[in-house]
Amino acid sequence: GAVVSQHPSRVICKSGTSVKIECRSLDFQATTMFWYRQFPKQSLMLMATSNEGSKATYEQGVEKDKFLINHASLTLSTLTVTSAHPEDSSFYICSARDSGAGETQYFGPGTRLLVL
Amino acid sequence: AQSVTQLDSHVSVSEGTPVLLRCNYSSSYSPSLFWYVQHPNKGLQLLLKYTSAATLVKGINGFEAEFKKSETSFHLTKPSAHMSDAAEYFCVVRWNTGTASKLTFGTGTRLQVTL
Repeated sequence: GAVVSQHPSRVICKSGTSVKIECRSLDFQATTMFWYRQFPKQSLMLMATSNEGSKATYEQGVEKDKFLINHASLTLSTLTVTSAHPEDSSFYICSARDSGAGETQYFGPGTRLLVL
Repeated sequence: AQSVTQLDSHVSVSEGTPVLLRCNYSSSYSPSLFWYVQHPNKGLQLLLKYTSAATLVKGINGFEAEFKKSETSFHLTKPSAHMSDAAEYFCVVRWNTGTASKLTFGTGTRLQVTL
């Protein structure tokens, strides 16, 4: 099946720093990627929809200036958590939609962010 | 509005016995429905999907689900549980808005498999 990778898998950073998370579709092109956030023992919450070559669409309550999304190519989207704070600690998961496969979304393995 | 409800937050079964994870949806349109599995500290893996074809959908690892429009349900079943099935399971509904298809996740059901 289709593979989506995320890098890094885990990151620990100091409060106030910025962290970039990469999401790549390895064997298909994805014009649309999605970023989710998952708190411990909770479901996934959609943060934003990332469209190649255009601005991301953010869900209500998600700060676009804090969570910067760039989708510069058909296989790569990045999420940058700017000026991270401890409350940003979470599990961030991306997915990529394969428009050539019934629009199924394939998920990355997730990135665990811990802000100290 | 579209929503999905997983009726059980936790299900425990003995190895070798059947598994039933319940899911109900609410959608103004014909939905696309999915089941994903998440093992600890891992990403989500697609088990199966329903997209308006056959109502009984077979997925990976022996799982299957039946779309019942009259009951607005999409329950996940497996005849015989294996220890490796222990994980978190999410029922997901897809709805279309503009140019993007969004997924709405249920709250998840943790499946425990005991010896």
